[in-house]
Formats: sequence, C-alpha cells, structure tokens
Amino acid sequence: GEDVEQSLFLSVREGDSSVINCTYTDSSSTYLYWYKQEPGAGLQLLTYIFSNMDMKQDQRLTVLLNKKDKHLSLRIADTQTGDSAIYFCAEPLISLGNMLTFGGGTRLMVKP
Amino acid sequence: KAGVTQTPRYLIKTRGQQVTLSCSPISGHRSVSWYQQTPGQGLQFLFEYFSETQRNKGNFPGRFSGRQFSNSRSEMNVSTLELGDSALYLCASSLPNNEQFFGPGTRLTVL
Repeated sequence: GEDVEQSLFLSVREGDSSVINCTYTDSSSTYLYWYKQEPGAGLQLLTYIFSNMDMKQDQRLTVLLNKKDKHLSLRIADTQTGDSAIYFCAEPLISLGNMLTFGGGTRLMVKP
Repeated sequence: KAGVTQTPRYLIKTRGQQVTLSCSPISGHRSVSWYQQTPGQGLQFLFEYFSETQRNKGNFPGRFSGRQFSNSRSEMNVSTLELGDSALYLCASSLPNNEQFFGPGTRLTVL
C-alpha cells in the first residue's frame, strides 16, 4: 500500500511562517491535497497542487512539490492563532476510484 | 451552494447494536466516499459510491456496509457494534475523480 507521512507537531509564534512537510510514495498521483481540521470539525480543503507543478501560491498559502523526492510542503505566511489546527496531506489513488490516502496529520499550535 | 451534510452529528450506542449514518452530498456531486477517523488509526477509507454503485472498498470487515440512492444521498451501516468502532465518520462528496469536500462528520460512541 501507499504511505503518506507527516511530522506530528509544529509550534510557531503568531506572525511567523509555518512549514508543514509531507512525504508520499505513489508517484502516479496526478495531484495532492492539503486539508485542515479544527477541533470537533470535519476536513476543510485548503488547497491542492497538480503533479506537473512545482509551486502553487494562494494568498498566505504556498505549496511546494518535489516529485523527485516525493516531498510536499505547505507554507503558511504570517501565521495567525486561527490557523491552529491539524493539517493533513492526502493523495488520491485514481486507479482505485477516488480513494484518498491521508498522512497522520500535523498539529499546528500558534502561540500569541 | 450548500455543503455536505451528515446526520446525526452525535450518536451513542451500546455493543452489539447497529447504526445507520446518513450523508447528503453537494448538489450535483454523484461520488460519495466514507472515512473513519480514530486517534490510533487516523483517517481510513471505508468505501466510495458513484451512481448507486460501490466503486471501491477499504479494508474493513463486512459489518460495515453502505449504499447510495438515486438522488446521490448515501448511508452507511455498522452492525454488531464493537467498542473499537467508536470514531468520527466522515463523508465526502465530489465530481468524479475530483477534489473531495467533507461534511462535519458523525461522532459515534460505542459503550
């Protein structure tokens, strides 16, 4: 099976940048996702990147993709306390319908 | 456009009982997927339905089943509940092979 791995925890100060990293194993993925989960809530789709892109920027979010190393990162600029949440990277297995394989999630704590 | 809705939001059952969870997808979305989220196993894929047909199934016992109706609404059923079935059950809808949008989840507690 395919594994998606993330570090468990990240703590930053308000106003700093946060970088959340992810490694994946399925090189056939055509795109990769970042989801955010706040306490007691479902998953919110933050952004995604196509596999033919190296970078995607969306306001405070920057996604970097290194296909050679199968490494994905999410950078949040000017991190706010409202960004405190768990962040999941996910890749779809198109060969198996629309199934998503998720990383274990990175808990981001933003200190005032 | 309304998002994915799931009912009920919270549920408490006892071991041996069965439970049915419901998911209404975003209008126009015909693909519905279900995931189980637990602290120990993380997010795991249960099954996906498209046009009333199960397209894929995760590695869960036969006690977990689902179906999809002609209006794309989906239900999942868990029979003979076990303590380990306590989890947040998430439903997601999408256009075929497109980004998935998740509902708020149903938190199931088995006592």
